[in-house]
Amino acid sequence: QSVLTQPPSVSAAPGQKVTISCSGSSSNIGNNYVSWYQQLPGTAPKLLIYDNNKRPSGIPDRFSGSKSGTSATLGITGLQTGDEADYYCGTWDSSLSAGLYVFGTGTKVTVL
Amino acid sequence: QLQLQESGPGLVKPSETLSLTCTVSGGSISSSSYYWGWIRQPPGKGLEWIGSIYYSGSTYYNPSLKSRVTISVDTSKNQFSLKLSSVTAADTAVYYCARLSGTMTPDYWGQGTLVTVSS
Repeated sequence: QSVLTQPPSVSAAPGQKVTISCSGSSSNIGNNYVSWYQQLPGTAPKLLIYDNNKRPSGIPDRFSGSKSGTSATLGITGLQTGDEADYYCGTWDSSLSAGLYVFGTGTKVTVL
Repeated sequence: QLQLQESGPGLVKPSETLSLTCTVSGGSISSSSYYWGWIRQPPGKGLEWIGSIYYSGSTYYNPSLKSRVTISVDTSKNQFSLKLSSVTAADTAVYYCARLSGTMTPDYWGQGTLVTVSS
């Protein structure tokens, strides 16, 4: 059971913008960096955003990340059919003595 | 280009031990900058972090799995491994190995391997 909550699904037409929220607490998002992952159907997740708002080499600037308090947001502009995928947030959670990495519940993006 | 490849049996019987190996190529597992980890995804469900290991052998485990998990590293073979004991059908999942940078962020992933627990 994930401690990071995301909306199950979001959708928009090609060219439009979508935002995906990730809600946590002070033991995870509130005090740690957030990452975002894209999982295309049948493939392994791919890192999209790290350290709240940084993009790895090769990730287009249509993808952006932000964090405020205990929540984070992924934005996708200029939506393309190839963006249809599941998206997960992730961060370290220090609520337990040893800590662990936690993922969000996942959001399916549909391009209408 | 860094590549990770999982290998191991695709079918494990209930109560037995699941064993997987991740072979790293295009980079050294002995790098001081990274941890190496295992993540799983049950069919149709979300991602669950299993644990991680540093080249020196230092480990972090998911508390919910800690009693059944062992992660080890073999720097001579550039590999790290996962053992999960006393498996049940609930352990059926695609298992991914990954490189973990900075704050344990998985930045490179293997393609994943499906492990089914069934008699």
